[in-house]
Amino acid sequence: NAGVTQTPKFQVLKTGQSMTLQCAQDMNHNSMYWYRQDPGMGLRLIYYSASEGTTDKGEVPNGYNVSRLNKREFSLRLESAAPSQTSVYFCASSEAVAGESHNNEQFFGPGTRLTVL
Amino acid sequence: RKEVEQDPGPFNVPEGATVAFNCTYSNSASQSFFWYRQDCRKEPKLLMSVYSSGNEDGRFTAQLNRASQYISLLIRDSKLSDSATYLCVVSYHSGYSTLTFGKGTMLLVSP
Repeated sequence: NAGVTQTPKFQVLKTGQSMTLQCAQDMNHNSMYWYRQDPGMGLRLIYYSASEGTTDKGEVPNGYNVSRLNKREFSLRLESAAPSQTSVYFCASSEAVAGESHNNEQFFGPGTRLTVL
Repeated sequence: RKEVEQDPGPFNVPEGATVAFNCTYSNSASQSFFWYRQDCRKEPKLLMSVYSSGNEDGRFTAQLNRASQYISLLIRDSKLSDSATYLCVVSYHSGYSTLTFGKGTMLLVSP
């Protein structure tokens, strides 16, 4: 089992360029998440998907779009990158199911280090 | 507003020392609590869940005080390999739950 995989590992963009960060999990998890981590800010939730076909905004969704392509894959798109989006992006997954009250451990991918010039 | 606050650190301790991390959370309806560990330039990984009665896993002990909205992590007999950033994490359940992470406290264990 690879767990959660992310591509690319590193990316440098110019302001205004677009790109898609890819994430896949092989644990048959229902829920998937995208976070960004900045120095001094901790991990902040961008978007999440509680099940295939559904997505919801997290704490910092502006400037991003997501697609839950199928149960395995959850992509994050930057349509017009800005320097403020320079960050480390983590994808995560868990067994959590909408409507259930208990939380499940989240498993993280290795991250994508994005620099926007 | 920041919902989860942690000691900023870094904590520099010698091998064998006991070190304690504290964390407070602002949402009294928070229902699940965790400590995650993050090594330098790596992804976070679950260290342990925190239960109301307190729980222990080897050298690690986690405590929860709901009345004070306070969580702690105690590491006994520190090892070099314990050097990492420790993230306090809480979850609030309302139909669906997401995690709120603290900024983390860095621990450096020296020989």
